[in-house]
Amino acid sequence: DVQMTQSPSTLSASVGDRVTITCRASQSISSWLAWYQHKPGKAPKVLIYEASNLENGVPSRFSGSGSGTEFTLTISSLQPDDFATYYCQQYNSYATWTFGQGTKVEIK
Amino acid sequence: QVQLVETGGGVVQPGRSLRLSCAASGFTFSHYEMHWVRQGPGKGLEWVAVTSYDGSGKYYSDSVKGRFIISRDTPKNTLYLQMDGLIPEDTAVYYCARGGGPGVPAAPFDYWGQGTLVTVSS
Repeated sequence: DVQMTQSPSTLSASVGDRVTITCRASQSISSWLAWYQHKPGKAPKVLIYEASNLENGVPSRFSGSGSGTEFTLTISSLQPDDFATYYCQQYNSYATWTFGQGTKVEIK
Repeated sequence: QVQLVETGGGVVQPGRSLRLSCAASGFTFSHYEMHWVRQGPGKGLEWVAVTSYDGSGKYYSDSVKGRFIISRDTPKNTLYLQMDGLIPEDTAVYYCARGGGPGVPAAPFDYWGQGTLVTVSS
């Protein structure tokens, strides 16, 4: 099975900061990677699909890059609404969808 | 608009059963694969099970294989998760999520419900 490893696990940042989260796959997943934002008590929300495509309605300060085994999610200027937990997910292998362990973005 | 509403969660003793439901609306339910995903207390998201658009294909994570059964009722636009032999490690918020649509071989989960809490405890 494909394992997904995110770093860091927790990130402390201030409003206006540029934030980068990394996700590594244990084997190549091409560009079949999504990024989700999850807030307590809410439904997870997809931000990025196919590694770099912005989901409709998601602010342009979010961007994704990478392919193969190395991926990044970048928030260009952190906003108050962005404090949440972020997950990467591979969907390259049918019948085994795998999430990273999550990165919690906290207020510094 | 697309809506997914989970129900059926609650407190259950180890070894007992529970059935979760997910009512779908706002899209053609029969065209999409549907998933269950869970989040245990203090843990991350864990994929649990998927059913193909027509119910012919079903897959499970190793942690629930042989104990959980995913199914769908197209006329009722409802997804189910039958959970048998529950263990404390199954304690989690369970979400249903929409996957790939017609002709889409690989897709992220673009809509999720708000989740329903299952607590397995004696």
